[in-house]
Amino acid sequence: NTVMTQSPTSMFTSVGDRVTMSCKASQNVGINVGWYQQKTGQSPKRLIYWASNRDTGVPDRFTGSGSGTDFTLTISNMQAEDPAIYYCLQHNSYPHTFGAGTKLELK
Amino acid sequence: EVQLVETGGGLVQPGKSLKLTCATSGFTFSTAWMHWVRQSPEKRLEWIARIKDKSNNYATDYVESVKGRFTISRDDSKSSVYLQMNSLKEEDTATYYCLSMGYWGQGVMVTVSS
Repeated sequence: NTVMTQSPTSMFTSVGDRVTMSCKASQNVGINVGWYQQKTGQSPKRLIYWASNRDTGVPDRFTGSGSGTDFTLTISNMQAEDPAIYYCLQHNSYPHTFGAGTKLELK
Repeated sequence: EVQLVETGGGLVQPGKSLKLTCATSGFTFSTAWMHWVRQSPEKRLEWIARIKDKSNNYATDYVESVKGRFTISRDDSKSSVYLQMNSLKEEDTATYYCLSMGYWGQGVMVTVSS
């Protein structure tokens, strides 16, 4: 199975900061990666598909990049509504697998 | 508006069965591939099953931990997907989500405990 390793596990940030989080796949998954945001008490919401395509309605401060084994989610200008757990998912092969998540909190 | 609504969760004893239903609307269900994902109390997400559409012979795939115990199925006439869960174990305790094309339902809780 493809293991998705996310880092950091958690991070504290401030409004206006640039935030970068990583997801590394244990084998080549091409661009078959999505990023999901889960706020407290809510279902996950997809932000990015195919590694770098923003879903409809997602603010352009969210950017996904990468291919192969290394993927990054960047929030260019942290906002008060962005604290959440962020997960990556590979859907290149079955079983699809998620990373363990990066918990993003405000200082 | 795309909607996915899961029902059928609850408290069940180990070894028993439960069937989850996901009713959908707002998209062309008959051509959509449908998935079930679960989230443990520790917030870990696990993909567990997928069913393809009719043109792909309703092919299914499962994660190893549920193979032989869980069955995903669909009824295109009702725009619904199901998850039959047999021989439940305490480690199956989770919130179960159905999803498709990036859209998720609100989830339904399943607790397996004696």
